[in-house]
Amino acid sequence: EVQLVESGGGLVQPGGSLRLSCAASGFTFSSYWMHWVRQAPGKGLVWVSRINSDGSSTSYADSVKGRFTISRDNAKNTLYLQMNSLRAEDTAVYYCASVVPAAIVWGQGTLVTVSS
Amino acid sequence: SYELTQPPSVSVSPGQTARITCSGDALPKQYAYWYQQKPGQAPVLVIYKDSERPSGIPERFSGSSSGTTVTLTISGVQAEDEADYYCQSADSSGNWVFGGGTKLTVL
Repeated sequence: EVQLVESGGGLVQPGGSLRLSCAASGFTFSSYWMHWVRQAPGKGLVWVSRINSDGSSTSYADSVKGRFTISRDNAKNTLYLQMNSLRAEDTAVYYCASVVPAAIVWGQGTLVTVSS
Repeated sequence: SYELTQPPSVSVSPGQTARITCSGDALPKQYAYWYQQKPGQAPVLVIYKDSERPSGIPERFSGSSSGTTVTLTISGVQAEDEADYYCQSADSSGNWVFGGGTKLTVL
């Protein structure tokens, strides 16, 4: 079964850091691009970042550029999102997702709350 | 990046047909994808590459494309179809773009 499982969310103070992880199983992780998408409470889906299959190319939404870093470890089938200088407006459920043959797989999400 | 525009809400009675549109300048060049999201749950893909239906998605869900507009059609709407629906596409760099979402209400 194709599966993505996020972890690492929690409560963090403004200006703090957090690293999210996304563990993949059931497909050849190293062959596919990966994305992070977030959803603030009561709001819509917003694309955050993506990384190509070997990690050599990354891209970010303007709202997180310079603060967030996406990376992957293909040996561990794991995607990461390092989030620094967190702001209240970064509060959201963060999902990882991947385009696989005939589907787009999403994790269940992990909640990040930025508050003092 | 570009924008995708959806109506905020659509209402239909059970058994009727619901149509949700999504407009964007790049849609003639890029595929569109549709997600269903129910409260507290992750999005579920219901249509990919404009009109393909993933395994396990009921046949009442279909997608079409015409120029700068793509449409999600739900035929014979059921109460369980009440949810938020999002269209998604990508720019030339492979970065995703989402529409603002449409709340489907089954009256």
